[in-house]
Amino acid sequence: AQRVTQPEKLLSVFKGAPVELKCNYSYSGSPELFWYVQYSRQRLQLLLRHVSRESIKGFTADLNKGETSFHLKKPFAQEEDSAMYYCALFNQGGKLIFGQGTELSVKP
Amino acid sequence: NAGVTQTPKFQVLKTGQSMTLQCAQDMNHNSMYWYRQDPGMGLRLIYYSASEGTTDKGEVPNGYNVSRLNKREFSLRLESAAPSQTSVYFCASSELGGTIQYFGAGTRLSVL
Repeated sequence: AQRVTQPEKLLSVFKGAPVELKCNYSYSGSPELFWYVQYSRQRLQLLLRHVSRESIKGFTADLNKGETSFHLKKPFAQEEDSAMYYCALFNQGGKLIFGQGTELSVKP
Repeated sequence: NAGVTQTPKFQVLKTGQSMTLQCAQDMNHNSMYWYRQDPGMGLRLIYYSASEGTTDKGEVPNGYNVSRLNKREFSLRLESAAPSQTSVYFCASSELGGTIQYFGAGTRLSVL
């Protein structure tokens, strides 16, 4: 079964604290994984993809095939990082499979 | 460059009413998608159109129909709205076979 699981519905941290949003996937094959972000009153947009191995807005994510995970990390959270984050997997059928989403709240 | 445009932004319907959600993209993308977003459920694919002239069911197609009017436009129709269809609807587009999707701003629909 192809599935993306984000175990935390809500993650609340203080400004300057490290943050890790968890994502686990189930997929037979070589996965292509993404993180999308939706800021308040804005449209869903791509944050980063694992193939590019880049840091966007201080966020990084590493694909761990052994643990079937693609956790999103940032060493020092900022208030403007508060948003809904979705992990997604692109399957061989050409469709994106989204996780349930994690709402990140960064408190001052 | 507007990207993906959805209309309307908000809509309230009574049970049994019908309506069409419109989506248009100006990025010359071949593929278009309709999702619904519900709390705790993430985004679920309703229908998609890999290219002009084709449409296919996604994960949750019941109660919906779609029309790929041309390369730019992909509409979603609710023939007889039900309260369970209260949701936020997103349209997205991508290049054919492309892994990155571009989303519209969403339509917030309430069915009473």
